[in-house]
Amino acid sequence: AQKVTQAQTEISVVEKEDVTLDCVYETRDTTYYLFWYKQPPSGELVFLIRRNSFDEQNEISGRYSWNFQKSTSSFNFTITASQVVDSAVYFCALSEAGNAGNMLTFGGGTRLMVKP
Amino acid sequence: NAGVTQTPKFQVLKTGQSMTLQCAQDMNHEYMSWYRQDPGMGLRLIHYSVGAGITDQGEVPNGYNVSRSTTEDFPLRLLSAAPSQTSVYFCASSYLGGATGYTFGSGTRLTVV
Repeated sequence: AQKVTQAQTEISVVEKEDVTLDCVYETRDTTYYLFWYKQPPSGELVFLIRRNSFDEQNEISGRYSWNFQKSTSSFNFTITASQVVDSAVYFCALSEAGNAGNMLTFGGGTRLMVKP
Repeated sequence: NAGVTQTPKFQVLKTGQSMTLQCAQDMNHEYMSWYRQDPGMGLRLIHYSVGAGITDQGEVPNGYNVSRSTTEDFPLRLLSAAPSQTSVYFCASSYLGGATGYTFGSGTRLTVV
């Protein structure tokens, strides 16, 4: 069965610090997709990135970067030079291609607080 | 704007009352699903559908019913609300699941007193 673990429930940093959010997943499928979502205080889910299991290239988008390592079943998310606007709950999620409906399994989320 | 529309945004129910959370999408997506979000537990799948007339249970289906009579709509019914169903509910749709990503509605905050 698929499972996603975000061991850090809450992280607090001071603005301009770098911060890494950890995500470890379990799956028996060879084809799967990993996601990160941001949930700001307003409550909506904001899509950040999708990565398929065959693409282990790291991704950088502005201050955001993602490190996908199949050998350790991890898909970590780093925010460089954090800003107050980064304060939110971040979710890592997994979808297995072999499962009917390809539905998402979410981790428990990491609440990031960036203080000025 | 194309997307997933959830109504209502907020709802307070008394224990034992019934209600339907509405979800509609206009992107012709076959896959639709309902999740509930509880503190510390992320989002958990309640029910999902892979097309009109086809529904199945997710991780936490008890107390909820769904039907999918059209591609566009996927309502979630609470037959007899319980305080344990106090949560934030999200509807999502997708063309091909993980391969194409998911579009989420803005959520419904439900309180059962």
